[in-house]
Amino acid sequence: SQQGEEDPQALSIQEGENATMNCSYKTSINNLQWYRQNSGRGLVHLILIRSNEREKHSGRLRVTLDTSKKSSSLLITASRAADTASYFCATVDIYNFNKFYFGSGTKLNVKP
Amino acid sequence: GAVVSQHPSRVICKSGTSVKIECRSLDFQATTMFWYRQFPKKSLMLMATSNEGSKATYEQGVEKDKFLINHASLTLSTLTVTSAHPEDSSFYICSATDRGYTEAFFGQGTRLTVV
Repeated sequence: SQQGEEDPQALSIQEGENATMNCSYKTSINNLQWYRQNSGRGLVHLILIRSNEREKHSGRLRVTLDTSKKSSSLLITASRAADTASYFCATVDIYNFNKFYFGSGTKLNVKP
Repeated sequence: GAVVSQHPSRVICKSGTSVKIECRSLDFQATTMFWYRQFPKKSLMLMATSNEGSKATYEQGVEKDKFLINHASLTLSTLTVTSAHPEDSSFYICSATDRGYTEAFFGQGTRLTVV
């Protein structure tokens, strides 16, 4: 990918379990965002965390950011079958702050 | 959130022809629009950044003459794939941001198939 890697590449869990996805990036960032993509569709913004923040919550989503390690994690709690999708992190470069670069993505499958 | 409309959603064209994809921001002024290409089961690759009224900035390795981008207004950017080849077949997605660059709003994507 242009920016970094996400792991795992694929994750399969049972409904009700928690799902954790990790994202690493390469440059200094202004902010990091997580997006969701259903198969063959556009992307939907989930949550944004700024470079001076360490943790953020939104509903069942929890995002952490460690700028010293250039990494972020997305936790989805109490997963549902409808959460099945691909999840991407995107970073906004601090020097080219009008560009969004995406990680390689994690394909999440939540089994009912 | 804001709405970005991308058209067409699917297009099939013959090799050698050109195809135009439109990206419109419906309820906000998009100072910057981005064009991405996504290969099957892969991430989004940023192709170019277009700012209203100026030339697009292309990422390394993206052919400017092959992928023509025009951002003539604050609500419309177009991507034209010229002299299309089968290897240009892909999923193309546009996104737009407002002045704050805090969030990118995505179109639904265009599935291009070149036969």
